[in-house]
Amino acid sequence: DAKTTQPNSMESNEEEPVHLPCNHSTISGTDYIHWYRQLPSQGPEYVIHGLTSNVNNRMASLAIAEDRKSSTLILHRATLRDAAVYYCILIGRSGNTGKLIFGQGTTLQVKP
Amino acid sequence: NAGVMQNPRHLVRRRGQEARLRCSPVKGHSHVYWYRQLPEEGLKFMVYLQKENIIDESGMPKERFSAEFPKEGPSILRIQQVVRGDSAAYFCASSLRTGQGDEKLFFGSGTQLSVL
Repeated sequence: DAKTTQPNSMESNEEEPVHLPCNHSTISGTDYIHWYRQLPSQGPEYVIHGLTSNVNNRMASLAIAEDRKSSTLILHRATLRDAAVYYCILIGRSGNTGKLIFGQGTTLQVKP
Repeated sequence: NAGVMQNPRHLVRRRGQEARLRCSPVKGHSHVYWYRQLPEEGLKFMVYLQKENIIDESGMPKERFSAEFPKEGPSILRIQQVVRGDSAAYFCASSLRTGQGDEKLFFGSGTQLSVL
């Protein structure tokens, strides 16, 4: 699976939108872009995924660049509960798509 | 529906003892994955099991570690003769299917293993 690059940390104020960027310039045509987050002392939690088109769900939105070499996770109104490490992960077709490669992720701090 | 259940939540062992970590996947999921998170490090894949079979153990240490997912009952990660370096958080995940790249993984809350 291709590598992703994320900023080490970001800060946000509560109730403001947050845009978390991810670069994946070596993405292949069949790689899905997944986002997981890990709250303190918890296991990772699925957030959202997409292939080419932008995606929305109850947790967040995923904006995918037209060339697919970057994407942005959007939290529309950050809450204190959103403070976590956010991981951008590419997953392609294979015999073991549960073998996720977690990089350093982006540690999001949310200030009240 | 219950999510992935792991127990115990915390496990303390002395050097040389055995540690047994249990994981019950989401009901209906037959694909189970184990990950390890060492202190101040990222999560690392260990092993992938599908009912009674080990499919991929490329991330599992060659000695002292073993995993099983029997036909009935939870998946077990066993660590024999634990050493201090085994102290870590161990997470289990499950999925309904695999292969396409769009599968979601559901993770448990983990077992924190402390070796004295």
